[in-house]
Amino acid sequence: NAGVMQNPRHLVRRRGQEARLRCSPMKGHSHVYWYRQLPEEGLKFMVYLQKENIIDESGMPKERFSAEFPKEGPSILRIQQVVRGDSAAYFCASSPFKGGQETQYFGPGTRLLVL
Amino acid sequence: AQSVTQLDSQVPVFEEAPVELRCNYSSSVSVYLFWYVQYPNQGLQLLLKYLSGSTLVKGINGFEAEFNKSQTSFHLRKPSVHISDTAEYFCAVSVQTGANNLFFGTGTRLTVIP
Repeated sequence: NAGVMQNPRHLVRRRGQEARLRCSPMKGHSHVYWYRQLPEEGLKFMVYLQKENIIDESGMPKERFSAEFPKEGPSILRIQQVVRGDSAAYFCASSPFKGGQETQYFGPGTRLLVL
Repeated sequence: AQSVTQLDSQVPVFEEAPVELRCNYSSSVSVYLFWYVQYPNQGLQLLLKYLSGSTLVKGINGFEAEFNKSQTSFHLRKPSVHISDTAEYFCAVSVQTGANNLFFGTGTRLTVIP
């Protein structure tokens, strides 16, 4: 059973460009979470999605950031007009069921560098 | 609101020595508690979690943690560390009702010295 897949693993963008980060959850998992890890900090929650629905986006910046989890295909985190402060590691996690007791399985992350 | 404090940002320890990584949390509601490990350039892997029942929880790789409700702590321990335990360790909580996301501490970098 393959784990959570994220691609690309590394992404370099110039200021003003768009970044698209993809996450394929573990087989059978319909709950996806995105977290951001800034240098020397812990992970911060961004958004929680189920298939075709955004359940909780309380941690997502109001502008430039969006996320989706379509019926078919991976979850996408999209950052428009990137700025240097967006440089971070972005981790996706998935779980088979909802609920705070559920173990979240993390992907290897996408490391975004904005020049 | 929930918050997690890991007071020790770095912990060096000699190989085969015991180690304790401290974690304290704050929450107005009941929480579940987790410890994750992150090896360089990898994602996070669950070490152990506390949901209910016995306050001493055993995890993978010989780690264990004890939930102390009165001190709002969930310290991680290992009696004898190996070089391969060198990694970043994150304590996290989730609420028992409502939101499903994890709240993480800032991490403790464990370095095992040969």
